Amino acid sequence: QVQLLQSGGTVKKPGASVKVSCQASGYSFISFGITWVRQAPGQGLEWMGWISVNNGITNYAQKFQGRVAMTTDASTSTAYMELRNLKSDDTAVYYCARVSPNFDFWGQGTLVTVSS
Amino acid sequence: QSALTQPASVSGSPGQSITISCSGTSSDVGAFTYVSWYQQHPDKAPRLIIFDVSNRPSGVSNRFSGSKSGNTASLTISGLQAEDEANYYCNSYTSTNTWVFGGGTKLTVL
Repeated sequence: QVQLLQSGGTVKKPGASVKVSCQASGYSFISFGITWVRQAPGQGLEWMGWISVNNGITNYAQKFQGRVAMTTDASTSTAYMELRNLKSDDTAVYYCARVSPNFDFWGQGTLVTVSS
Repeated sequence: QSALTQPASVSGSPGQSITISCSGTSSDVGAFTYVSWYQQHPDKAPRLIIFDVSNRPSGVSNRFSGSKSGNTASLTISGLQAEDEANYYCNSYTSTNTWVFGGGTKLTVL
């Protein structure tokens, strides 16, 4: 069955970077895209961007351009999302999801806490 | 890209039907059939319940249905059950090759 397994939660200081991983299994990794969505505490879902695993093309939400990078490693069926120059309002649960082009399978989420 | 507009909350009694609207523009909801809906229970990952405006993934109850008219999509839940109490989010593909979510609607089953 399709599964997306994300890395564990982490605490970062303001100005640092975080890299969250998302390991896929149960399907052909290069046949679908991966998107990243975040959810601040008590808030709604916010789309961050996506990557076409087949050709590496990315498209980011304007809000995150210049600060986010999404990559994949087909040899391990793993997608990565790196967010730089973290601020306190980046504290959120970060989800990866398979793009089909709907978001049909989701990871369990990774809590990133930004605190001095 | 502005978020799609959803009501903050809706409520209904068990057995009743409710409808959640999702208002967008001619650059997103109105332009594409890639409109989807997600159900999220507290502290859980979102779950796809409607894709391509009106299709249900395998395993999703037929009490959930979707539709679209112009720039507005709708999710209807019939025969409300206690387990339907959750947050619901709409989502649409856009003309800039991005996606956008609605602000979310909290459904309370009275």
